[in-house]
Amino acid sequence: GDSVTQMEGPVTLSEEAFLTINCTYTATGYPSLFWYVQYPGEGLQLLLKATKADDKGSNKGFEATYRKETTSFHLEKGSVQVSDSAVYFCALSDLPGTYKYIFGTGTRLKVLA
Amino acid sequence: DTGVSQNPRHKITKRGQNVTFRCDPISEHNRLYWYRQTLGQGPEFLTYFQNEAQLEKSRLLSDRFSAERPKGSFSTLEIQRTEQGDSAMYLCASSPKGTGGSPLHFGNGTRLTVT
Repeated sequence: GDSVTQMEGPVTLSEEAFLTINCTYTATGYPSLFWYVQYPGEGLQLLLKATKADDKGSNKGFEATYRKETTSFHLEKGSVQVSDSAVYFCALSDLPGTYKYIFGTGTRLKVLA
Repeated sequence: DTGVSQNPRHKITKRGQNVTFRCDPISEHNRLYWYRQTLGQGPEFLTYFQNEAQLEKSRLLSDRFSAERPKGSFSTLEIQRTEQGDSAMYLCASSPKGTGGSPLHFGNGTRLTVT
């Protein structure tokens, strides 16, 4: 069935390090892809999205490219900050026959000063 | 845009009791979703409304769960005869109707603890 797989965390990095969080998906049709972020004590917020193959979503220094050939949507940031410490969720939607959004299990990022 | 509002923030109840949660979506959004999230997991889909019509329900939503959205505005999620396994964060989200790629806007959730 349709699903999202994320790399397990926690991911611990030093400030200014390069970040990659892997996300791959299994889906019928041509889903839209999202990254959401959940800061401590807060609700999920949209970070970025892409709606078709080769689209690049970007926001707050984060980027992810919709790769249809590898069914992936990896999240990257060139230089992380302590304030980026959060849980990151990959998600997809716009599947045939359903309105639901499917989320991965989340990857916790901890950035050390 | 005041965001999605959920009440209460926390609910502690004894096993066997009924509980009801409320969600007020962003006013111009006609799509409303309920999700459940347990520790260390991503949100799991429960049900979806378009205006007042409940168009999709997950198999996770047992007969003890019921959701309504009268008049297509706020929504309620009721759990009858609660069980300890119902303990989780219940999330509400809304989005505008549109073509592909409409993101969900989440509330801060209602944390349910069943003792």
